[in-house]
Amino acid sequence: GEDVEQSLFLSVREGDSSVINCTYTDSSSTYLYWYKQEPGAGLQLLTYIFSNMDMKQDQRLTVLLNKKDKHLSLRIADTQTGDSAIYFCAEKGGYQKVTFGTGTKLQVIP
Amino acid sequence: DTGVSQDPRHKITKRGQNVTFRCDPISEHNRLYWYRQTLGQGPEFLTYFQNEAQLEKSRLLSDRFSAERPKGSFSTLEIQRTEQGDSAMYLCASSQPGGDTIYFGEGSWLTVV
Repeated sequence: GEDVEQSLFLSVREGDSSVINCTYTDSSSTYLYWYKQEPGAGLQLLTYIFSNMDMKQDQRLTVLLNKKDKHLSLRIADTQTGDSAIYFCAEKGGYQKVTFGTGTKLQVIP
Repeated sequence: DTGVSQDPRHKITKRGQNVTFRCDPISEHNRLYWYRQTLGQGPEFLTYFQNEAQLEKSRLLSDRFSAERPKGSFSTLEIQRTEQGDSAMYLCASSQPGGDTIYFGEGSWLTVV
C-alpha cells in the first residue's frame, strides 16, 4: 500500500533556509502536496506539484521532486518564527485517496 | 468563498454515546473527504464522496461509523457507541470536479471520556 515518510523534527535559526524531506512509495502518485498545521488547527495547503514536474517555486517556497527516487522536498527561504508548525507531505495516487506522512515539526529559533 | 466549515469544533462525550459532526464544503466542490487525525500522527483517510455517492471507504471506518451526503452538499459523520479510542480530530476536506487541490476545514475535536 501507499506509505509516506518524513523526519519528525527540524530546528533552524530565523533567517536561515529550512528543508523538509519526504519519501513515498506509490509509483502511481499523480499529485504531491505540502500542508502546514499550526497547534489545534486544520491543515493549510501550502503548495503542490504534479508528478511530471520536478520543481515548483512559489514566493519563499520551493518544491523539488525526484520521481525516480520518490523523494519530495520543501525548501522555505528566509524562515520566520511564524513558519513554526508541523508540515505534512501527502500524495494522491490513482484514486482520490490522499495519503499523509506523520509530519515534520519545524522549530524556528529567534 | 468561506472555506470548508465544520461543526461542532469541539465535542466531549461519554463513552457509549452517539455523536454527529457536520461538514459544509466550499460551494461548487463536488468532492468531499473525511479524515481522522490522532495526536502526533498525520491524517488518515476515512471516506470520500463525489456528489452524494460514497465512492471509497477505509477499513478504519468500522460499522459504528456512518457518513452521509444526502443532497451532494453538506455531509455528516456519525459515530455510534463511542469508545475512548475514537478520541481524535475529524477533518473534512473538499475539492472541485477534476480539481488538484484539496482544502481542509479546521476540524472537529472529539474527546470520549
